[in-house]
This record gives sequence, C-alpha cells and structure tokens, in this order.
Amino acid sequence: GEDVEQSLFLSVREGDSSVINCTYTDSSSTYLYWYKQEPGAGLQLLTYIFSNMDMKQDQRLTVLLNKKDKHLSLRIADTQTGDSAIYFCAESYGREKLTFGTGTRLTIIP
Amino acid sequence: GAVVSQHPSWVICKSGTSVKIECRSLDFQATTMFWYRQFPKQSLMLMATSNEGSKATYEQGVEKDKFLINHASLTLSTLTVTSAHPEDSSFYICSVPREAGGPLYNEQFFGPGTRLTVL
Repeated sequence: GEDVEQSLFLSVREGDSSVINCTYTDSSSTYLYWYKQEPGAGLQLLTYIFSNMDMKQDQRLTVLLNKKDKHLSLRIADTQTGDSAIYFCAESYGREKLTFGTGTRLTIIP
Repeated sequence: GAVVSQHPSWVICKSGTSVKIECRSLDFQATTMFWYRQFPKQSLMLMATSNEGSKATYEQGVEKDKFLINHASLTLSTLTVTSAHPEDSSFYICSVPREAGGPLYNEQFFGPGTRLTVL
C-alpha cells in the first residue's frame, strides 16, 4: 500500500528558510500536494505539483520533486511567525482519495 | 476556495452514547464528501467516502455499523459515532473534493474538524 513519511518536527529561526521533506512509496502518484494545518482551522492547500514536473515556485514557496528517489520537499523562504503550523504532504493517483504523510510541525524561533 | 463547516467543533460525551457530527459544503453542491480521523501527532486516515443518495464506501478496517454516514443532501453529510467508547476519542475532519476537471481536480477543501472526547 501507499506510505508517505515526514519528520515530525522542524524548528527554524524567523527570517531563515524552512525545508520540509517527504518521502513516498507509490511511484504511480500523479499529483503531490502540500497542505497546511493551523490550530482550529481546516487543512489548507498550499501548493501542488504534477508528477512530471521537477520544481514549482509560488512566491515564497518552492516545491522540489525527485521522482527517482520518491522525495518531495517544500521550501519556505523568509519564514514568518505566521508560518507556524503542521505541514502535510499528500499524494494521489488519478482518483479523489488522498494519502497523507505524518505531518511536520514547524516552529518558528523569534 | 470552498468553505466547509463542521458542527460541533468539539464534543464531550459519556461512554455508550452516540454522537452526530455534521459536515456542510457552503459554497457548492457536493456529491462526494470524505471523512477522516486524525490521532495526535499522526496523519489523517481516510475513514469513508460519503456518496449523496447512496451508501458510503468504507475503508478497510473501519466498522460501518459503528460509524454511520448519511449524505442526505448535496450540501450535508453526517457521521454518527454509535455507542462511543474512549478509544473513539479523536479529531474527525471532513472534506469536499473539487469536482472533476482542471489541474486541481483532486483538490479537497477541508472542514475545521470536530474534536470528540469520550469519557
């Protein structure tokens, strides 16, 4: 079955870049996503990448995909206190079901 | 993005009672909704797919008689935890998928979640 893994915690100083990593096992994934979960709020889609892409940049967010190693990363430039949240990577294959990673809790150090 | 609401946001109940959780799609009609369960420090686990006008599709290992799902209208799905026990305590989240078509056809819009505590 599919398996998506992430580190549980990441601490970054305000203003630095944050890099959140994710590994997955399903090589047939068509889309890979990054979701953000803040306390008391629903998961919010941050960005996504199609499996035939290597990189996608959207303002402060950069997604890198290494399909050979089944490795996905999310880089947040100039990390702000408002970026504190749990970040989930997720993958899907031509269907509506999403398989989520374990989530990475990002803590910003002032 | 679409707005999805859940009610209640939190509930505490006694063991053996049943609890109903509502998920509403406020912006558009949804023939499909998803119910997830999230344990502390763990990922979201898909429990079932709620289908408007027909039976829900449950994931392997999820007891359909314990977690009753009703999708009576295109904007409302309910999850009823029957005869709740402390091990059912968890964070329950629903989502509404964007309809098919377009590059984000797999995007899902999530509700804020319902925290259930069973004493």
